[in-house]
Amino acid sequence: EAGVAQSPRYKIIEKRQSVAFWCNPISGHATLYWYQQILGQGPKLLIQFQNNGVVDDSQLPKDRFSAERLKGVDSTLKIQPAKLEDSAVYLCASSSRGRDSYEQYFGPGTRLTVT
Amino acid sequence: KQEVTQIPAALSVPEGENLVLNCSFTDSAIYNLQWFRQDPGKGLTSLLLIQSSQREQTSGRLNASLDKSSGRSTLYIAASQPGDSATYLCAVPNNYGQNFVFGPGTRLSVLP
Repeated sequence: EAGVAQSPRYKIIEKRQSVAFWCNPISGHATLYWYQQILGQGPKLLIQFQNNGVVDDSQLPKDRFSAERLKGVDSTLKIQPAKLEDSAVYLCASSSRGRDSYEQYFGPGTRLTVT
Repeated sequence: KQEVTQIPAALSVPEGENLVLNCSFTDSAIYNLQWFRQDPGKGLTSLLLIQSSQREQTSGRLNASLDKSSGRSTLYIAASQPGDSATYLCAVPNNYGQNFVFGPGTRLSVLP
């Protein structure tokens, strides 16, 4: 089966600009996650969707970050306006609710550099 | 608030050694525990998932154990190879399968 797809792979923007990332999960996976990974650290969960509803966005900086998952499939994560500290890798993951519930499968990530 | 730590932060071993990576978590109310591998510049690859009711899982040369009551998991790698060089991370969700928290990872180097 195809894995989790993300685009773009790399993005360089100036501070105060906006940027959007796209994720296509594994077919049939109801749960979708966005993580932020700063160099040298483990991923930090930003938002978790179950189908097209949000179940956890407690660590999403809502003044500048937004995410949506229309029709319970693809998802986009937006940052507006970007700050220097947003430089990181943004990872998307998905999981099913079958026998191995919440076993996460990750995409390759988008490396964001804010200058 | 759940906190996850991993010891050691970095490890360098000669090829062929057996090794143990440790993961500790402060809140034992977890749904499962998952071990991942991350190669430089890449996403995460799932290695093993242990449900909260299980004690261990095995896949090839990898064995992961879980002691929920003491808040610990170990990942055992047998007969290490240079291709095992990567960062290994553990992650736990709460009882409802939400609020995933990752450890900072252990960076492993296996020398030929």
